[in-house]
Amino acid sequence: DSGVTQTPKHLITATGQRVTLRCSPRSGDLSVYWYQQSLDQGLQFLIQYYNGEERAKGNILERFSAQQFPDLHSELNLSSLELGDSALYFCASSVGPGEIDEQYFGPGTRLTVT
Amino acid sequence: GEDVEQSLFLSVREGDSSVINCTYTDSSSTYLYWYKQEPGAGLQLLTYIFSNMDMKQDQRLTVLLNKKDKHLSLRIADTQTGDSAIYFCAERGFYGGSQGNLIFGKGTKLSVKP
Repeated sequence: DSGVTQTPKHLITATGQRVTLRCSPRSGDLSVYWYQQSLDQGLQFLIQYYNGEERAKGNILERFSAQQFPDLHSELNLSSLELGDSALYFCASSVGPGEIDEQYFGPGTRLTVT
Repeated sequence: GEDVEQSLFLSVREGDSSVINCTYTDSSSTYLYWYKQEPGAGLQLLTYIFSNMDMKQDQRLTVLLNKKDKHLSLRIADTQTGDSAIYFCAERGFYGGSQGNLIFGKGTKLSVKP
């Protein structure tokens, strides 16, 4: 158990809908990262927050957004969902801003868009 | 841009050694990582190596780094059926929005036959 929690574990929704994925980092970790794992693209970095502020952005679509709240939990919002958004979404956390910090991964949220 | 490549499958017999290979493109990477993903689970950090090292050993795991060829390998001695999983090689992103974050290979699925 990495100490990172993600909810829900599974999510099934229809195209065009909007969902919110939630992540609670390990106690004491200030950074939260979001990754998408799909069969064709593999594991891709989406976005990072550090202590409430956006720190780095990867291949995140404009339909997707995220935030980190004062209690350090983070939410990833996915809107206007398409079939291709079906994937496993991982959250990871680390103590610091990331350059040399180990990232600990949550169990993931499996999103299925029908 | 940064890219990490690894072979997709490896099959070994229980008790043999497994060697999983990875090549990366970013010579500026300071840390290189090996993660393990068991079915239905998140990613677990197995080990990492700093770029000024050639080798790191941790119990049954040996990591070899050839910085000149940008080649990383993970050797698992006395492979057990419990080692069956997907193994991901990752480097720290350096450029643009990926700075400080992990760039993953597509993963090598290790199957251990009894």
